[in-house]
Amino acid sequence: AQTVTQSQPEMSVQEAETVTLSCTYDTSENNYYLFWYKQPPSRQMILVIRQEAYKQQNATENRFSVNFQKAAKSFSLKISDSQLGDTAMYFCAFGLHRMDSNYQLIWGAGTKLIIKP
Amino acid sequence: KAGVTQTPRYLIKTRGQQVTLSCSPISGHRSVSWYQQTPGQGLQFLFEYFSETQRNKGNFPGRFSGRQFSNSRSEMNVSTLELGDSALYLCASSPEGRGLANTDTQYFGPGTRLTVL
Repeated sequence: AQTVTQSQPEMSVQEAETVTLSCTYDTSENNYYLFWYKQPPSRQMILVIRQEAYKQQNATENRFSVNFQKAAKSFSLKISDSQLGDTAMYFCAFGLHRMDSNYQLIWGAGTKLIIKP
Repeated sequence: KAGVTQTPRYLIKTRGQQVTLSCSPISGHRSVSWYQQTPGQGLQFLFEYFSETQRNKGNFPGRFSGRQFSNSRSEMNVSTLELGDSALYLCASSPEGRGLANTDTQYFGPGTRLTVL
């Protein structure tokens, strides 16, 4: 069975600093997807970044980048030059297509990130 | 636009009963996803409906079912309730929702807190 672990329940950093959120997962599959979602107080679940497991190059989206270590089953999110608007819950998620063409989406427990002015 | 609404907000049932939860997506959104959130298991994907069809399904037993109406409103039903079904059930809507390739922002409702005694 697949599992996703986010070991940091809460983190806080000063504005403009760089912060890294950790995520580890467990699977015996070889082809899968990994996601980082952001959920601000407005309760939108916004896709931050997506990584396909077959791609070795780490995904980047502006100030957001990941460190994908497939062998270590680690998928950390780095936020550079953090901004007040980055304050939110961050969820790591693992996605896998199943044989019946449905997909399985497994979420971590989330990390509450607070950016302090 | 009005946000995603879920009814009821709180529900108390006893083991063996069944329950129906309702979700009204944001106007114009065609995809509705359901999630179960518990402190121990985090956020777990139940299923996604798009244009009245179940497009994707998570790894939950058949006691969990849902449907979507022509106006995109969705209902989720849980039969033969078990104590472990106590959770916050979240509904999320998005314009298209493309499963694992989903790049849509998902908009979550406030959830229905189900307690099974």
